[in-house]
Amino acid sequence: SYVLIQPPSVSVAPGKTARITCGGDNTGSKSVHWYQQKPGQAPVLVIYYTTDRPSGIPERFSGSNSGNTATLTISRVEAGDEADYYCQVWDSSRDHRVFGGGTKLTVL
Amino acid sequence: EVQLLESGGGAVHPGGSLRLSCAASGFTFSSYVMSWVRQAPGKGLEWVSVICASGGCSYYADSVKGRFTISRDNSKNRLYLQMNSLRAEDTAVYYCAKEGSSGIVENWGQGSLVTVSS
Repeated sequence: SYVLIQPPSVSVAPGKTARITCGGDNTGSKSVHWYQQKPGQAPVLVIYYTTDRPSGIPERFSGSNSGNTATLTISRVEAGDEADYYCQVWDSSRDHRVFGGGTKLTVL
Repeated sequence: EVQLLESGGGAVHPGGSLRLSCAASGFTFSSYVMSWVRQAPGKGLEWVSVICASGGCSYYADSVKGRFTISRDNSKNRLYLQMNSLRAEDTAVYYCAKEGSSGIVENWGQGSLVTVSS
């Protein structure tokens, strides 16, 4: 089955740029979606189709994907961005959805 | 406004059964693929199952295949998850999810906690 690997944690100072990676076999050929989850809350979609932002998501959130790694980039990080972030793809061969293990973003 | 409200969670012994329900509103339920996603305490998200908009097709994660059954009633705007032969490792918050294309989860419910313990 398809597997997505994320670093367990990423730390960044306020105002700096955070990059969260998501690795998988030929991830670059897939559309990657990203979710933000704050403690005690349901996840929220922040990036879909690798680079698109839902309405209401700040332009500071962006995505990219190449080779075997997709990346969520958060520019000018704020304290309110502290959360767990999950990448996800659609495994079309089995019509399964696959989530990465999640990355805890800490704002120092 | 899209609303997804799960119910039916609770505590059950290993080997027992439970049925989760999700009441959907604020969108044309019968037009959307729906999924269940779970999250064990302190752990990450795990996709469980998906059902086509018509209800005519469904798919399962290997971890629940043969034990869980997803269904829907489009006349009642409800999604269900029948869980049998429950195991301790099924303990999790179960989220009802409305999907867009390519497996995108556009909307999530608030979750229903299932605890499997002796």
